[in-house]
Amino acid sequence: SAVISQKPSRDICQRGTSLTIQCQVDSQVTMMFWYRQQPGQSLTLIATANQGSEATYESGFVIDKFPISRPNLTFSTLTVSNMSPEDSSIYLCSVWTGTGVEQYFGPGTRLTVT
Amino acid sequence: GIQVEQSPPDLILQEGANSTLRCNFSDSVNNLQWFHQNPWGQLINLFYIPSGTKQNGRLSATTVATERYSLLYISSSQTTDSGVYFCAVEDSGGYQKVTFGTGTKLQVIP
Repeated sequence: SAVISQKPSRDICQRGTSLTIQCQVDSQVTMMFWYRQQPGQSLTLIATANQGSEATYESGFVIDKFPISRPNLTFSTLTVSNMSPEDSSIYLCSVWTGTGVEQYFGPGTRLTVT
Repeated sequence: GIQVEQSPPDLILQEGANSTLRCNFSDSVNNLQWFHQNPWGQLINLFYIPSGTKQNGRLSATTVATERYSLLYISSSQTTDSGVYFCAVEDSGGYQKVTFGTGTKLQVIP
């Protein structure tokens, strides 16, 4: 299994500002994944973060809006830039176990943009 | 991309009742998981089940990959079972890129 922590757990931000979310894993992993869950909706993959390379973004998500850093094998950050109320969501980071068959999620960051 | 539909979208159960949740997917998959999202938002991995049947206590799951569906059975439901249940599939291309289903919101009332 994997233990994942995220900071902050929640925040209320003003439109036009940026927020950086941190994700820490208790073991080394090759890939970390960032998801968004809009209110009442399912989860959507934003990007995959590999250590030492640029993140890979899914359709509809761009690096200018959601820059990601991956400085080492246990840590990643996601920044939500130039926020608007439509960015109000839960943001979750995720990893797979070493055996590659089970996926684990952090507790999420609840973001409200006013 | 692969489509993942779940039914029913909402379900209300009396405590002690049994239920079956369904997940249909539109293409071949490498991997299928069931998750429970509790009312506080935490996602818990229930099963990794690309095919066959597994049981864990009051929960069991069956995936029929050839017919592209999976079922999650909850027996003797408890109020702590409340929350949203998601199935999530990794398409046959791999790379751990997962598509989540639409979810089933379950409320168990005492």
